[in-house]
Amino acid sequence: AQTVTQSQPEMSVQEAETVTLSCTYDTSESDYYLFWYKQPPSRQMILVIRQEAYKQQNATENRFSVNFQKAAKSFSLKISDSQLGDAAMYFCAYRGLRQGGSEKLVFGKGTKLTVNP
Amino acid sequence: DVKVTQSSRYLVKRTGEKVFLECVQDMDHENMFWYRQDPGLGLRLIYFSYDVKMKEKGDIPEGYSVSREKKERFSLILESASTNQTSMYLCASIPSQGGSYGYTFGSGTRLTVV
Repeated sequence: AQTVTQSQPEMSVQEAETVTLSCTYDTSESDYYLFWYKQPPSRQMILVIRQEAYKQQNATENRFSVNFQKAAKSFSLKISDSQLGDAAMYFCAYRGLRQGGSEKLVFGKGTKLTVNP
Repeated sequence: DVKVTQSSRYLVKRTGEKVFLECVQDMDHENMFWYRQDPGLGLRLIYFSYDVKMKEKGDIPEGYSVSREKKERFSLILESASTNQTSMYLCASIPSQGGSYGYTFGSGTRLTVV
């Protein structure tokens, strides 16, 4: 079974600085998708960024980027120019491929990010 | 704006009650999921459904059942609520083609069983 590990239960960053959240996963599949979700105090889960395993290029969405190391099974999230609104729980998630349908998402335990003014 | 709606944001129920958590999506998605979220444990899959009247157990199905009579609605049922089912419950959906689509989540139901 696939597993996702987030080794940092809590992180903090100064406003305008850069922070990197770690995620590793375990799988025997060669094709899959990886995601980072953000959950602010409002509880609404928001998709931050996604990565297809077959793409070597790291995904980027504005201030958010990933460092995807397929061989190492590592998928870290970098937040640049951190803002107070980035404070949230961040979840790393994995989804494999299944013929004819969608596979379930497997989540890590989350990292709570605090942004200090 | 596409949406997954969970009928209750907060619920308080008594031990032994039968509890229904409702989830409705307006995106015509085939796949729907129920997760449970607990501090330090992340999100754990309870049940999912890939079609009307179809369901599959997730990682922690014990004490729960589900119903999907219509494509847009996926209900989670606690047959006899217990205090260890106090938690946040999240519903999500995704189209069958999946791919790099992320889930669309509801805003969660915080259930307290007393």
